[in-house]
Amino acid sequence: KNEVEQSPQNLTAQEGEFITINCSYSVGISALHWLQQHPGGGIVSLFMLSSGKKKHGRLIATINIQEKHSSLHITASHPRDSAVYICAVTPNTGNQFYFGTGTSLTVIP
Amino acid sequence: DAGITQSPRHKVTETGTPVTLRCHQTENHRYMYWYRQDPGHGLRLIHYSYGVKDTDKGEVSDGYSVSRSKTEDFLLTLESATSSQTSVYFCAISESIHTQYFGPGTRLTVL
Repeated sequence: KNEVEQSPQNLTAQEGEFITINCSYSVGISALHWLQQHPGGGIVSLFMLSSGKKKHGRLIATINIQEKHSSLHITASHPRDSAVYICAVTPNTGNQFYFGTGTSLTVIP
Repeated sequence: DAGITQSPRHKVTETGTPVTLRCHQTENHRYMYWYRQDPGHGLRLIHYSYGVKDTDKGEVSDGYSVSRSKTEDFLLTLESATSSQTSVYFCAISESIHTQYFGPGTRLTVL
């Protein structure tokens, strides 16, 4: 069973395109997280959301708690955005994260 | 960046040998986690710790043990490594449930 599902698994875009990555989850959550992992491994946190929308530079994350769905948008994509984007949730109970399998994004110049 | 290091960063070992991975933090965070990352799977929790000498199992704990004798160190031991434990291992720390900070990862190959 997978508490967190992401789509698409792989995504290739031309530089400048608007990108959307989707995340659906099946458990009650206290927060949802978007993480970024560049080739070579390091994982960094981009956003933590419990409602609404957050923006950081060209990245926008939204969450719909009722529909158990979140999206990560990248505007004016750039080759340096190429990375794996991981959705994770903190369930209402326990102290663990559940992770999606990630979306591998490649932005071509 | 959170002060979290992992050692070794790369290791190749043979089936049946014991292996210990170390996670070290300088942030004095209460919680520490060990994950493994494999193609086709999300990060999966092996064990976690919520304080010195307080640990609990995650979803893929079979074949692994952990110890935390000091706040700053969390050790992951494979008592007898198997090829199925070839993976990339990440340590993470957090002070609350809201944000985890990840180490750089350890790539382990079991031949």
